[in-house]
Order: sequence, then C-alpha cells, then structure tokens
Amino acid sequence: KNEVEQSPQNLTAQEGEFITINCSYSVGISALHWLQQHPGGGIVSLFMLSSGKKKHGRLIATINIQEKHSSLHITASHPRDSAVYICAAFFGGTGNQFYFGTGTSLTVIP
Amino acid sequence: DSGVTQTPKHLITATGQRVTLRCSPRSGDLSVYWYQQSLDQGLQFLIQYYNGEERAKGNILERFSAQQFPDLHSELNLSSLELGDSALYFCASSFGPGGRFYNSPLHFGNGTRLTVT
Repeated sequence: KNEVEQSPQNLTAQEGEFITINCSYSVGISALHWLQQHPGGGIVSLFMLSSGKKKHGRLIATINIQEKHSSLHITASHPRDSAVYICAAFFGGTGNQFYFGTGTSLTVIP
Repeated sequence: DSGVTQTPKHLITATGQRVTLRCSPRSGDLSVYWYQQSLDQGLQFLIQYYNGEERAKGNILERFSAQQFPDLHSELNLSSLELGDSALYFCASSFGPGGRFYNSPLHFGNGTRLTVT
C-alpha cells in the first residue's frame, strides 16, 4: 500500500480552467511538499505545508490534517503550467522519511 | 535558479562500474537529501545528511553510499552498477534538519541522469 495516493494521474485542461490535484496520505506527517517537474526533468518545490493554506500567484495549496488530505489548485491555467505535479509527504520523528505520490501529468491546451 | 549545483548532468557507464555524483547545496543550507527517480519506481528518498552527519535513510541500497563534507557538499557513490540503477538522481537542500518541528523548504538541483549500459 502506498503511503501517499495522488489523483488524477493525468489531466488535460483548456487554458483558463481551474485545476485541482489531490493528495491523500495514510499516517501523520510533519509537512507536505508540492513539487513541479517540467519535461526537461528539473524539479521545483512549489509549497511546503504543515497546516492551512498557502498561495503563490495562481497556485494555491491547502491541507486538512484531520482528513490527511491536501489539494493543489491552479487558477486561470496556462499552457506553461503543463508539467508533472508531485506531492511528497514528509514524516519527521525518530527518522525522517519522504514518501512520494506517483505524480499528476497536467497538459493545458491553448 | 535554486542555488543547488549537481554534477555531472549526464553520466553513461557500464554495468559493474562505480560512479560518484556530486551536490553543492544552496548557500546557507545545512541539509542535503538524495533522491532517485526511475521510470518504474517514481521518486524515492535515498538518504539525508545534516551538517556533516547522516540524519535519515530511505530506500538506499547497500551498494550505494553517501557522505557530506565539512564544506557541506555531498557525494553519492554508486558501485557495482546494474542496469536497473539507470535513473535521474536528484539532490535537494534545506536549511533545517527536518524532524517533527524543524521543517524548511526544499531546493532541488537539476539532477544527474545516469545511464548504465
């Protein structure tokens, strides 16, 4: 069983659409990271969350600790948002561990 | 630019060989994390160093080892390479040690693409 489940696996949207990507995890975490990976392979960290909500430009990330669920929203999507989005659950404690979702491949069509 | 430098960008080698991947963290960051991304396994956490000491271990094979030097750069050594070790290897750095209360954002390098033939 995966500690982190991410959905959907693939997403195609028209430019301007509102997009939501979901991430669920199975145990308590210290932080949840949302990562963006472009076709060239490079990874950019978008958000690190341990509670509540964060916003950066057109991107919004939320986390519900009780429900063990996080969402990444993209408002007014643009073709340059096309990338793979990965959630990563960070379990701190006696030993740090990262568990990654399988990623959501987003394509935004002009 | 994340400020994290990984070298080399590409590496092609034969089975049974040994390679060393290098990572220089962003200035001021004390933690270095290593990750492997393969087509069939996705991203996996390998190991973390904080201020020169091993902090956490993930799915790192015994054939792999790492260290962090006094200047905080880190090296990942992969030996007795197998075809299945072909992957993208990323390092990331952060300021804090992680744990339950000392989380800080991650800064990723551009990765080293390893091809084992």
